[in-house]
Amino acid sequence: KNEVEQSPQNLTAQEGEFITINCSYSVGISALHWLQQHPGGGIVSLFMLSSGKKKHGRLIATINIQEKHSSLHITASHPRDSAVYICAAAIQGAQKLVFGQGTRLTINP
Amino acid sequence: EAQVTQNPRYLITVTGKKLTVTCSQNMNHEYMSWYRQDPGLGLRQIYYSMNVEVTDKGDVPEGYKVSRKEKRNFPLILESPSPNQTSLYFCASRRGSYAYNEQFFGPGTRLTVL
Repeated sequence: KNEVEQSPQNLTAQEGEFITINCSYSVGISALHWLQQHPGGGIVSLFMLSSGKKKHGRLIATINIQEKHSSLHITASHPRDSAVYICAAAIQGAQKLVFGQGTRLTINP
Repeated sequence: EAQVTQNPRYLITVTGKKLTVTCSQNMNHEYMSWYRQDPGLGLRQIYYSMNVEVTDKGDVPEGYKVSRKEKRNFPLILESPSPNQTSLYFCASRRGSYAYNEQFFGPGTRLTVL
């Protein structure tokens, strides 16, 4: 079993829908990152969370440390949100990041 | 502009022909890392470096070498590439050694070994 699991692996939705991507982890972490990888391949950092909730535009990320679970939400989704979203757990006290396998999101107009 | 650059972006080569993928960052970051990304396997760490002249193996180091002679550069060397090293490679950097710091990724290098 992977230390970081994402669900769903693939998600297709219509423009305007509310999107939720989930990330569960089984290890002790100091933080959790959400990354976005566009079809061109480049990876950008969206959020780093150690507790609570963060919001940036239409994107919201939450984390529940006790339940070892994080979610990424997209409100009023748009075709330009189509990408692979990756969560990565920063292992407590270590340099290491452990990555989920990614969720491929497709938003149709 | 703060960035991580990689070259080349695309490379097709043949088995056994030594190659180097360069990586450079302009943010004075101490930590640099190489990852490979394969379908169904996600991102896996190949090597990392905590600072100049300090490198260590990640999860999948076999068949790769790295060096860190200058803070800004962290080249990935494949001495004798094989087809199972066909992959998408990313260089990344961050401030300090702890993984909770934001990581900055290069644009990726798509390598095909025939």
